Amino acid sequence: DQQVKQNSPSLSVQEGRISILNCDYTNSMFDYFLWYKKYPAEGPTFLISISSIKDKNEDGRFTVFLNKSAKHLSLHIVPSQPGDSAVYFCAASGTTGTASKLTFGTGTRLQVTL
Amino acid sequence: KAGVTQTPRYLIKTRGQQVTLSCSPISGHRSVSWYQQTPGQGLQFLFEYFSETQRNKGNFPGRFSGRQFSNSRSEMNVSTLELGDSALYLCASSLGGRLSPLHFGNGTRLTVT
Repeated sequence: DQQVKQNSPSLSVQEGRISILNCDYTNSMFDYFLWYKKYPAEGPTFLISISSIKDKNEDGRFTVFLNKSAKHLSLHIVPSQPGDSAVYFCAASGTTGTASKLTFGTGTRLQVTL
Repeated sequence: KAGVTQTPRYLIKTRGQQVTLSCSPISGHRSVSWYQQTPGQGLQFLFEYFSETQRNKGNFPGRFSGRQFSNSRSEMNVSTLELGDSALYLCASSLGGRLSPLHFGNGTRLTVT
């Protein structure tokens, strides 16, 4: 039972345009959400997070939006750069767990083309 | 500041053997977690150690075990290896607080033949 879903396995975006990566979750107990980026042969790198008390969080070119009623979050990257090409994982933690017990989605591979 | 270090980077083992993976967390981090990544499954939580105590456990069989030492370094052991245990094993450290993001190592790629 996949509690965190990333339904798009891949996404291709032109350099300078906006990249939008989507994530859906089913567990109502999740209250903290994170995005990680992963390059080949490296571990995931923390990008940005959002608590369920907010609906938006920004950090430079990265913005995460949370729609609790739809159990949906998205990561916006503006403008996209070639160095953003990587696999992006959405993750969630619940009120009964610690921050370390994350439930991850299966990832979306972003390709930023010139 | 040095990142999370995992050794070895690659391992090849035979079915039925056992294996031990090692993880050195970021200095000052008291929480160490282990994740398994397989194609199509994403990252799945194995367990977390905090101050030498297992604080959380995922849904993996008892063949998977771990421990944490007083210097926060951690080891993970898999006994009686099965072909399905072939995966990338990732270790992550954090300060351990509720909203502390995880910092991952580059993983150990285990292949079971």
